[in-house]
Amino acid sequence: KAGVTQTPRYLIKTRGQQVTLSCSPISGHRSVSWYQQTPGQGLQFLFEYFSETQRNKGNFPGRFSGRQFSNSRSEMNVSTLELGDSALYLCASSLNGDLNSGANVLTFGAGSRLTVL
Amino acid sequence: KQEVTQIPAALSVPEGENLVLNCSFTDSAIYNLQWFRQDPGKGLTSLLLIQSSQREQTSGRLNASLDKSSGRSTLYIAASQPGDSATYLCALPNQAGTALIFGKGTTLSVSS
Repeated sequence: KAGVTQTPRYLIKTRGQQVTLSCSPISGHRSVSWYQQTPGQGLQFLFEYFSETQRNKGNFPGRFSGRQFSNSRSEMNVSTLELGDSALYLCASSLNGDLNSGANVLTFGAGSRLTVL
Repeated sequence: KQEVTQIPAALSVPEGENLVLNCSFTDSAIYNLQWFRQDPGKGLTSLLLIQSSQREQTSGRLNASLDKSSGRSTLYIAASQPGDSATYLCALPNQAGTALIFGKGTTLSVSS
């Protein structure tokens, strides 16, 4: 069974540009979440999608957005990049996103490493 | 608001040593707690998930315990090996169960 696949793995952008990251969840998983990992802040929740709808959002500016397609694949977009957006962006999938249920274990992808110059 | 703390931030041990990693949380009203491993520059690998009704879970040389009343979880690694070198993160769901809240992690280095 294939895991969570994220593309691209590495990318370099300059300030002011925008970037789109892609995530393919485990087959059968309908919930996709995104997290940002930086040395200073650690892992922080960005947003979660289920059935093409954003259900939950973390405390990030509107420059961070995402979407989910009918096949559960998800993309996140960051516009007007800032130096502080340099981070590892992790995508995770679960059956239905209810993390209080032990049956909904989050499975993470390998991440997309974004460097903003 | 739930806060998760992991102590120590870094740990170096010689091969073969048994060790304990600590995780504390402020809100004991949790459903489960999960331990992850992260290798440098890589994603997260789930190690163990402990349901609130359980007191511990074991997988190979790993044993995780959970004490909700004291707001603590420990990850015990027996007979450590150089391959255990990684960052270990604990995480638990927010109250609504919509996202995981992570500690900052403990970076473990096992020398041969």
